Amino acid sequence: AQSVTQPDIHITVSEGASLELRCNYSYGATPYLFWYVQSPGQGLQLLLKYFSGDTLVQGIKGFEAEFKRSQSSFNLRKPSVHWSDAAEYFCAVDGGSQGNLIFGKGTKLSVKP
Amino acid sequence: DTEVTQTPKHLVMGMTNKKSLKCEQHMGHRAMYWYKQKAKKPPELMFVYSYEKLSINESVPSRFSPECPNSSLLNLHLHALQPEDSALYLCASSYLQGAETQYFGPGTRLLVL
Repeated sequence: AQSVTQPDIHITVSEGASLELRCNYSYGATPYLFWYVQSPGQGLQLLLKYFSGDTLVQGIKGFEAEFKRSQSSFNLRKPSVHWSDAAEYFCAVDGGSQGNLIFGKGTKLSVKP
Repeated sequence: DTEVTQTPKHLVMGMTNKKSLKCEQHMGHRAMYWYKQKAKKPPELMFVYSYEKLSINESVPSRFSPECPNSSLLNLHLHALQPEDSALYLCASSYLQGAETQYFGPGTRLLVL
């Protein structure tokens, strides 16, 4: 069965520091992978996605992610975190033709001034 | 424009009330989704509509009744809810069902008393 694991429940980084959020997936075929961000009480905003092609994908707000098939990973990175990046981040894999997104449990990002 | 709108933003209802949540998109998407998100949890899929027909019902109790009156609108009718149904209800849409990017609305925060 497909699954997504985000090993870090909560991460705190200093403003201006670099960030990496981990995501591992389990999926039989070539996965369609997504990163979404959710501010408190808000909906989910798409940061970036990977369907095929270049394994390093660029997203909005200066985020990027790298797909590594050998490690079943799709980690999210940002070189310099801003206080406004504090939010919950969800990694997700598309479950196939049904269109059901399978989410990880999320990683809460806190940013220290 | 990748906007999905949802109304109302907040809803408080008693266990004997009947209310409806509304979702709208004008992106020409043919698949629309309802998710339920409890606090500190990832979204969970409830229903999927494809070309205005119910495609997936994830064993949701009958007190939740979805409706897709046209390709732009998705409703969720609520009746005789329980306090444990209190959650953030998210609507999403995608161009087609499956292996597509889903765009989320801001959600309706529901409190059942």
